[in-house]
Amino acid sequence: GESVGLHLPTLSVQEGDNSIINCAYSNSASDYFIWYKQESGKGPQFIIDIRSNMDKRQGQRVTVLLNKTVKHLSLQIAATQPGDSAVYFCAENKKGTYKYIFGTGTRLKVLA
Amino acid sequence: SAVISQKPSRDICQRGTSLTIQCQVDSQVTMMFWYRQQPGQSLTLIATANQGSEATYESGFVIDKFPISRPNLTFSTLTVSNMSPEDSSIYLCSAPPPTGSSYNEQFFGPGTRLTVL
Repeated sequence: GESVGLHLPTLSVQEGDNSIINCAYSNSASDYFIWYKQESGKGPQFIIDIRSNMDKRQGQRVTVLLNKTVKHLSLQIAATQPGDSAVYFCAENKKGTYKYIFGTGTRLKVLA
Repeated sequence: SAVISQKPSRDICQRGTSLTIQCQVDSQVTMMFWYRQQPGQSLTLIATANQGSEATYESGFVIDKFPISRPNLTFSTLTVSNMSPEDSSIYLCSAPPPTGSSYNEQFFGPGTRLTVL
């Protein structure tokens, strides 16, 4: 089937290594951020979120870091697995609205 | 979380025709959203579908091209009108979590893959 992310930046990592995916967001007033994972043929799936009053949040095998000074967000995936292969998007949101702005996305390829 | 379904999952259409995409949410939600994802691109918000009032369109999108219906709190449709090959995209429906959730994340449907010949 058709694949998303054909022309997106690609990060290739060896299975078992850690992955770091970066995102620059645009609005300094944004106070809520989400990382989504989109596999081929599917809609985006929520991975992890972080509010602007935090600079780090950990989930299962994933960590999100927020640097408000430079408007930068990163997603760290520990011990990357083949099932992590997908396109990853960051999204920013301003409190009180449900409008999200999505970043350009990064395609993660996990090499066996 | 909310479960969102879309119909059709994909379609191939002729130039000049229109296609209506349906979105169903398994719980009542105040707002529903329609996004477009062009090949190799990120998601762009088309409009917010409000129940009981007209949809709110983002810059670059107009009601004549993308009419939206929102007859109740669980359902919405997006029509892509007078299609051209440039309309070939994935169209995604999304909704916020049910009322009372402490989170703000949006949930997405699986998308409708539209190819216009």
